[in-house]
Amino acid sequence: QKEVEQNSGPLSVPEGAIASLNCTYSDRGSQSFFWYRQYSGKSPELIMSIYSNGDKEDGRFTAQLNKASQYVSLLIRDSQPSDSATYLCAVNTNAGKSTFGDGTTLTVKP
Amino acid sequence: DAGITQSPRYKITETGRQVTLMCHQTWSHSYMFWYRQDLGHGLRLIYYSAAADITDKGEVPDGYVVSRSKTENFPLTLESATRSQTSVYFCASGAGAYNEQFFGPGTRLTVL
Repeated sequence: QKEVEQNSGPLSVPEGAIASLNCTYSDRGSQSFFWYRQYSGKSPELIMSIYSNGDKEDGRFTAQLNKASQYVSLLIRDSQPSDSATYLCAVNTNAGKSTFGDGTTLTVKP
Repeated sequence: DAGITQSPRYKITETGRQVTLMCHQTWSHSYMFWYRQDLGHGLRLIYYSAAADITDKGEVPDGYVVSRSKTENFPLTLESATRSQTSVYFCASGAGAYNEQFFGPGTRLTVL
């Protein structure tokens, strides 16, 4: 079992729809959780961080964390073609390093 | 310039040669990381550093050497490059153990 698993995708949604990206992790000692967006040929950039159970909203993005079930998700509302990218889930343990999932590629169709 | 930079951006080398990839950050972040990214494998941690003179292995350290004599620099050396080390290499930095990471632009390395 991988330490961090993401739904494999690719995921395709129409413009204006909600895109839902999911991630599960195996280390119960994980302390912090991140979603990065990576456009093709570019480096990852942080879009959301979440540290405690519940929802965290930032504009069109909502991150959800459930430590008991060991999952973290990202919802993108009103999806735009510019949201088309690969989304990476990252989980930090108390060792100070992040473990990344393999990513989910999202395509938003106009 | 503020931020995190990597050099070179592109490098072609031959099997058996030594190659050093440079990483420099201006935020005085404690943590620095080296990842490689290959198709189908996501980001894999090679080495990381919690502070100057403190380094530790990641998931795929074999064939790589790092040093961190100054907080702002974290070079990665391939001592004897192999074709399997052809990849895109990303350097990242972060303020603390539980903080987000900020990535450099990447170095695309090809080993012939």
